[in-house]
Amino acid sequence: AQKVTQAQTEISVVEKEDVTLDCVYETRDTTYYLFWYKQPPSGELVFLIRRNSFDEQNEISGRYSWNFQKSTSSFNFTITASQVVDSAVYFCALSEVGWGKLQFGAGTQVVVTP
Amino acid sequence: GAVVSQHPSWVICKSGTSVKIECRSLDFQATTMFWYRQFPKQSLMLMATSNEGSKATYEQGVEKDKFLINHASLTLSTLTVTSAHPEDSSFYICSARDQRGTSGNTIYFGEGSWLTVV
Repeated sequence: AQKVTQAQTEISVVEKEDVTLDCVYETRDTTYYLFWYKQPPSGELVFLIRRNSFDEQNEISGRYSWNFQKSTSSFNFTITASQVVDSAVYFCALSEVGWGKLQFGAGTQVVVTP
Repeated sequence: GAVVSQHPSWVICKSGTSVKIECRSLDFQATTMFWYRQFPKQSLMLMATSNEGSKATYEQGVEKDKFLINHASLTLSTLTVTSAHPEDSSFYICSARDQRGTSGNTIYFGEGSWLTVV
């Protein structure tokens, strides 16, 4: 069975601090996708990244970066120089390739204060 | 712009009534759509997989007679909450799988629907 663990319930930081969100997953599949989504208070899910299990390269997109470590089944997300607009709940999710249904982690609430 | 549209965004209904939520793929055909439910301060939980032209597949613990899913066309899936009760109040969000292209697994989410049963 698939499982996604986000152990951090809430992280509070002051603006401009970096924040790292942990994500650990379990799957028996050799091929899978990992995702990160941002959910602001309005509720919609904002897609941040999708990573194929065969691609272990780390990725940077602006202030966002992701560290995929297959050996430890982790897919951590870092926000550099956080801003108030980064305040939201962030979800890590796992999906089998070619299927489409996602197993979400519990989510991490990020609170960035000025 | 949105490629999966959900309607309504907000709905308030009286206890005992039924409410329908629509999920549309706007510029692609989706043979498979997914419905999730999210209670306040909790994660998103998959309720069911909506299959065009066939019965939906429900996750364990989800009442199929209470949450009716109809996927009558390649661009529309509907979730009907029948005989709604206050405990059904939740955020419902759908997703659709876009199988075009080589990736075969691009997933788009709708905007979500807030249901309040009073």
